[in-house]
Amino acid sequence: EIVMTQSPATLSVSPGEGATLSCRASQRITSNLAWYQHKPGQPPRLLIYAVSTRATGIPTRFSGSGSETEFTLTISSLRSEDFAVYFCQQYINWPFTFGQGTKLEIK
Amino acid sequence: QVHLLGSGPGLVRPSETLSLTCTVSGYSISSGYYWGWIRQPPGKGLEWIGSMYHSGSTFYNPSLKTRVTLSADTSKNQFSLNLTSVTAADTAFYYCARHGFLDRIDLWGQGTLVTVSS
Repeated sequence: EIVMTQSPATLSVSPGEGATLSCRASQRITSNLAWYQHKPGQPPRLLIYAVSTRATGIPTRFSGSGSETEFTLTISSLRSEDFAVYFCQQYINWPFTFGQGTKLEIK
Repeated sequence: QVHLLGSGPGLVRPSETLSLTCTVSGYSISSGYYWGWIRQPPGKGLEWIGSMYHSGSTFYNPSLKTRVTLSADTSKNQFSLNLTSVTAADTAFYYCARHGFLDRIDLWGQGTLVTVSS
C-alpha cells in the first residue's frame, strides 16, 4: 500500500500568519491527492482535491500544490476557524491511505 | 443537501461482531457513488476499511478483508458495516463516507465511537 507521511506533526502559528503543511507519498500518485480539515466533534471536511482544486465553498486562502510524491497545503492569513488537524489522502489506488495528520495550533 | 448519519452500538464485547449502519438522506445510494467506512482509533490516524457500490461491488482494505463485510439496503437508503472477531484494537471512531470510484471523499458522516471492551 502507499504510505503517506505528513510533516510537521504539529505546527504553531499566529493568527494572520501563513502556514505550510507537507505530505509525501511513498510512490508516485500523480495528481490523486486530497486534503481534509478535521475539527473535534465534527466530520472531516474536504478542502482540496486533485492536488490543487478547492472543494465547493472553500476559501481562496487554502491552496494546494505539488506532484508525483511531494505535496503542500498552504493556508494564507490564518483565521481562528482554521486551527484544526489537516490530513492528506491518496486515491490513485486501493486501499485508500491517509497521512497521520498535522495539527495546526494557535501560537 | 446530502447527509450521512452513522448509527450502532457504542460498546461491543471482544470476539463479537461490530455492526454499524449509515443512513443517507438527500441522495439515493442507487444513483451512484461509492459508499464506504473509515475509522480512527483515539489518538491515531485514519484507516480506510472498505467501500461499496449499490450494485454490490466492494473493495476492502487487505488488512481487514477477512473480517469485514459491507452491504446495502437500497429500500432504506442505508449501507452497513460488519466487522467480526473484534478486539480492543478495533476501538475507534467509525465514519461513513461517500466518494467516486478511486476519487476524493466528498462527504463524511458525523462519526460513531465504538469501544471494544468486556
